[in-house]
Amino acid sequence: GAGVSQSPSNKVTEKGKDVELRCDPISGHTALYWYRQRLGQGLEFLIYFQGNSAPDKSGLPSDRFSAERTGESVSTLTIQRTQQEDSAVYLCASSQATWGERNSPLHFGNGTRLTVT
Amino acid sequence: GQNIDQPTEMTATEGAIVQINCTYQTSGFNGLFWYQQHAGEAPTFLSYNVLDGLEEKGRFSSFLSRSKGYSYLLLKELQMKDSASYLCAVRVMEYGNKLVFGAGTILRVKS
Repeated sequence: GAGVSQSPSNKVTEKGKDVELRCDPISGHTALYWYRQRLGQGLEFLIYFQGNSAPDKSGLPSDRFSAERTGESVSTLTIQRTQQEDSAVYLCASSQATWGERNSPLHFGNGTRLTVT
Repeated sequence: GQNIDQPTEMTATEGAIVQINCTYQTSGFNGLFWYQQHAGEAPTFLSYNVLDGLEEKGRFSSFLSRSKGYSYLLLKELQMKDSASYLCAVRVMEYGNKLVFGAGTILRVKS
């Protein structure tokens, strides 16, 4: 596809369950990012993948959160033992280079809206 | 720490001009971005400033003053479709060139 694709678009889960969110970046984009956006708030950085370098996991809020990426393709964000405070929109973005240089801004997916009941 | 401030909400009239301000206190500044986000949709890139001055792109312009830690997004000839949230984001070298986002400004355009 032409853009960043995320699935599912909506996910409702019970507290304590594990969830897996998927992101398909734009083909050829070496950099991939996950952000979280709570209602009425800004984007909170979670994790960043760049090529074959070790991912920058400094934004993950707890050890219940993890993410993987296979090469320069699909990424999955896993949240274990979900809590109500995990409810948010999880946005994935990709770019051709690191952190959106002038000619390569971040391209965002439509996000996954996670609701933990 | 990093701090980016924007007004929470603004209202303007169709056809008018509106200026959305952003102030930041960060370490290792390496560029400022503006994104537009319609409700329920993904943010889309609007503009990028790394040097002081004004960048113009059609109806949208963005200004940066690094010494003042200040930027604004100027929208001219407002249209109803411009109703959206506008996100200011700063690239911070100290944190591996991460993009740190403000909370966004919700702009409502009325007829």
